[in-house]
Amino acid sequence: KQEVTQIPAALSVPEGENLVLNCSFTDSAIYNLQWFRQDPGKGLTSLLLIQSSQREQTSGRLNASLDKSSGRSTLYIAASQPGDSATYLCAVSTQGGSEKLVFGKGTKLTVNP
Amino acid sequence: NAGVTQTPKFQVLKTGQSMTLQCAQDMNHEYMSWYRQDPGMGLRLIHYSVGAGITDQGEVPNGYNVSRSTTEDFPLRLLSAAPSQTSVYFCASGLSSLYGYTFGSGTRLTVV
Repeated sequence: KQEVTQIPAALSVPEGENLVLNCSFTDSAIYNLQWFRQDPGKGLTSLLLIQSSQREQTSGRLNASLDKSSGRSTLYIAASQPGDSATYLCAVSTQGGSEKLVFGKGTKLTVNP
Repeated sequence: NAGVTQTPKFQVLKTGQSMTLQCAQDMNHEYMSWYRQDPGMGLRLIHYSVGAGITDQGEVPNGYNVSRSTTEDFPLRLLSAAPSQTSVYFCASGLSSLYGYTFGSGTRLTVV
């Protein structure tokens, strides 16, 4: 059974710091890995999608890497801002249509001004 | 383009009542899923569909029914609500693994 773990569960940093969020999964047979952001009481917003054949994806200050063989992904946030405060979730797709996602429990990030 | 629309946003039910959570998408996505989010448990898959007329169970299907008569709609039915079904429910849809998955804004359900 696929299991996804995110470490740390919570992280508090000062504004401007570069930071890394970690995601690990137990079964390397994935189709893709997706990072989401969730604000309190809100839905999930997709940040980055990495296909199983890719090594990384970038969007603005965000960079996500994937090492499928070791079952790891990292989300790098450069020059963090208070507006980045949210819970970050990673999810792996175990089916071709992404209809079956297995989620980690998330990392709650607080960026202090 | 509305994306994935869930209704209602909030609902309080009494134990034993039934209700339907609505989910609609206007992106012509084949794949749709229902998840529930509970504190300390993360998001867990309830049911999913790979196209109209095709549904299957996820990790926590007990107490829920789904059907997919059209590509656009994927309602989730609670047959006899229980306090253990108090949760936030998310519907999601996608075209293929190349494009990832889009989530609705959720339905917060409380069963008393």
